[in-house]
Amino acid sequence: QVQLVESGGGVVQPGRSLRLSCAASGFNFKNYGMHWVRQTPGKGLEWVTIIWYDGSKKYYADSVKSRFTISRDNSKNMVYLQMNSLRAEDTAMYYCARDRPYGDYTIDYWGQGTLVTVSS
Amino acid sequence: EFVLTQSPATLSLSPGDRATLSCRASQSVSSYLAWYQQKPGQAPRLLIYDASNRAPGIPARFSGSGSGTDFTLTISSLEPEDFAVYYCQQRSNWFWAFGQGTKVEIK
Repeated sequence: QVQLVESGGGVVQPGRSLRLSCAASGFNFKNYGMHWVRQTPGKGLEWVTIIWYDGSKKYYADSVKSRFTISRDNSKNMVYLQMNSLRAEDTAMYYCARDRPYGDYTIDYWGQGTLVTVSS
Repeated sequence: EFVLTQSPATLSLSPGDRATLSCRASQSVSSYLAWYQQKPGQAPRLLIYDASNRAPGIPARFSGSGSGTDFTLTISSLEPEDFAVYYCQQRSNWFWAFGQGTKVEIK
């Protein structure tokens, strides 16, 4: 079965960096685009970024552009989110999620999330 | 800016009731609209994709409809486990938008 397990969250000071990881299993990882989506405590969902199945394309929400970088290692079935210059408003649960491979830009599986808290 | 607006914000219903949730897009982009269910402390779960197709394992009481800018999620007869928050989602210009959510609560 599809499993996505995030790690790397924690408490970090404003302006510092953090790298999140997502370990994928139960499917042919190299064939799927992967997203990061975040959710502020008690609030709604906010899409953060997507990376194409082969890493050839990446797109970002304006709120994180130039600060966050998504990457992947298909040999290890891993996707990463490098977060720099963190702000208080980046505090959220970060979910790793899989993109359906049928061209309809739908997220079909989600991990359980890792919590990032930006606070001094 | 592409925006998805869900209504109502909260729906207070009883088990066995019919639930009708709305999602309106600020512009027509495609029929590729998805619905997700999220329960407290859990990740979202895909219910409907491409506006009207149920994801694997989703009960038949969940149905989706709509096109253009107006989409609807219907739960024909609410079960106790259906009380949750529901989000719609659509992509526009390489930006994945989510609605703000509709909470279906027990009346």
